[in-house]
Amino acid sequence: DAKTTQPPSMDCAEGRAANLPCNHSTISGNEYVYWYRQIHSQGPQYIIHGLKNNETNEMASLIITEDRKSSTLILPHATLRDTAVYYCIVRVDNTGGFKTIFGAGTRLFVKA
Amino acid sequence: DTGVSQDPRHKITKRGQNVTFRCDPISEHNRLYWYRQTLGQGPEFLTYFQNEAQLEKSRLLSDRFSAERPKGSFSTLEIQRTEQGDSAMYLCASSSGGRARDTQYFGPGTRLTVL
Repeated sequence: DAKTTQPPSMDCAEGRAANLPCNHSTISGNEYVYWYRQIHSQGPQYIIHGLKNNETNEMASLIITEDRKSSTLILPHATLRDTAVYYCIVRVDNTGGFKTIFGAGTRLFVKA
Repeated sequence: DTGVSQDPRHKITKRGQNVTFRCDPISEHNRLYWYRQTLGQGPEFLTYFQNEAQLEKSRLLSDRFSAERPKGSFSTLEIQRTEQGDSAMYLCASSSGGRARDTQYFGPGTRLTVL
């Protein structure tokens, strides 16, 4: 199973871009990178996912390196409401199951 | 609001009692997942249904835990003879994606406190 490594915490000033890194050096060729976030006392919220190409949606951008061993989630203009734990996940397909293995994530603090 | 609902949102029980939680997934989703999350940790996978079939169970799911999805729609998670170590947030998620793009949408969770 591919594992991910993320910094435990990061700070970002409100209005600035938040760049959250993730290492997944053992990722397999058919595994996608997913990002979720979890605001305090809520369920995880899907943000974005990608395979090889960079992806952008209304919430964030995902930059995946050419060798796919790392990625960066970018929140272009962070707000106080973006304070949350951000999880970088590589999809695991284990004997037909689709369980998601969460790590400890990165706790992002957006400061005014 | 993702469209996945869970009931109750909070449950306080005494050790040794049985509890049951319900999850209603997004209506067209055929996959349903249960996770458990303790304080400061990421969610841990418990079990997974495709329609009414329970296809995978984690070793975390002891004999005291049972999950059902009788008609392939809502699901229940029952914990018998609760222990203090069962105190956690129990999360449900649903999805309808293909093999490699199974985007899961999570409910708000049920927070269980065992006294």
